[in-house]
Order: sequence, then C-alpha cells, then structure tokens
Amino acid sequence: GENVEQHPSTLSVQEGDSAVIKCTYSDSASNYFPWYKQELGKRPQLIIDIRSNVGEKKDQRIAVTLNKTAKHFSLHITETQPEDSAVYFCAASMATDSWGKLQFGAGTQVVVTP
Amino acid sequence: ETGVTQTPRHLVMGMTNKKSLKCEQHLGHNAMYWYKQSAKKPLELMFVYNFKEQTENNSVPSRFSPECPNSSHLFLHLHTLQPEDSALYLCASSQDLQKPSFGSGTRLTVV
Repeated sequence: GENVEQHPSTLSVQEGDSAVIKCTYSDSASNYFPWYKQELGKRPQLIIDIRSNVGEKKDQRIAVTLNKTAKHFSLHITETQPEDSAVYFCAASMATDSWGKLQFGAGTQVVVTP
Repeated sequence: ETGVTQTPRHLVMGMTNKKSLKCEQHLGHNAMYWYKQSAKKPLELMFVYNFKEQTENNSVPSRFSPECPNSSHLFLHLHTLQPEDSALYLCASSQDLQKPSFGSGTRLTVV
C-alpha cells in the first residue's frame, strides 16, 4: 500500500519568510495529492490539492509542486503570517481508488513568530 | 462550519464502558469516514461507508463497531476500549471521494 513520509516534523519561521514542507510517496500509481491545515483544537481543512497531470498549482500565498519521477511533492507558503501557524498534513491517493483511501503524512507543526 | 457535526466533543470512558460517537453531515455527500488521530502519527483511516455500505475496514479491532443507518449519519460504537485507544476521532464526508471534509472530532480519553 501507499506510504507517505513528511518532513520536517516541526518548522519555525519568522513572519514574512517562506516555509517549505516536503512529502514523499511510495506508490507510483498515486495521482491525487491534497494538503490539509489543522489549527489547534480545530478540524483539518483542505487548503490546496494537485493532480498528477500538473506540476505546480498556486493559490495566493500557497503553492504546491509535484515531481512524479522522484515521487515527492511540496507545499510552499510565502510571506508567512502568524495565522499560518498550524499543523499541515500532506496526503496521497489514487484517482481510481473510489473509496477515498487517502494516506496521510505525520504532519508538520509550523510556528510563525512575529 | 463545514457541515460535518460530531458529538460529543469530549468523552472520558472507563475500559468497561460502552459509548457511541455520532457524526452527521449536512452536505448531501454519499460517503462517510472515520479517522483516528493520535499525537505525532499520521491520520489513520478506520472505516469507509459509501451509500451506507461499508467498503473499507482497515484492520480495526472489533471493540470499534461502526454503523451507518443512512448517508447522512455515522456512528462509532465503543466497548471495552484500551488506554491506547485514547485519541481524536474524526468523521469526514465526501461526494468527490478524494476530498473529504472533516468534522471537529471527538477527543476520547480511556481511563
């Protein structure tokens, strides 16, 4: 089955700097890669996702890149703000997997200091 | 709110108790999920229901028993749990089966 590894486990950045979180996956058949943000005591929320037919997707200060050959994908947050502090989870699954069997990474605790 | 409501928010139970977690979705989705979230571990998929039919059981111990009476409601019945079962239990639903929307979870403590 799919195995997703996420690094780093914790990330401290100064406000205004960029943050990068990296994930690797094992199953080359995976073709859907969402990212979730979970603030303390709150539910995970989908912030951006990418499918394997594109290499990069951007939404304001957030971008995701995908390297299918190397089987890794990354989340980039630019101009970080204190409200970006949260745990971020990457995940991977196959589009043909009808039952939404997302495999999640262990999460990255991001702390943005003013 | 994302339209997925879980109750209770917090639950403390003894190892001999029987309790149930409830999840309700108001999004018109046809798939519902139970996930377990433990500290410093990946979210673990426990059960998947599609159109009320269980389609996935990820080797979950029988002390966890799911029930899905309709596409909008999902229960997780708990009995004779162990302290290591203490975790945040998240319910989710989806129509597009790759974009689950999560509830706020039930923080379960087994004593």
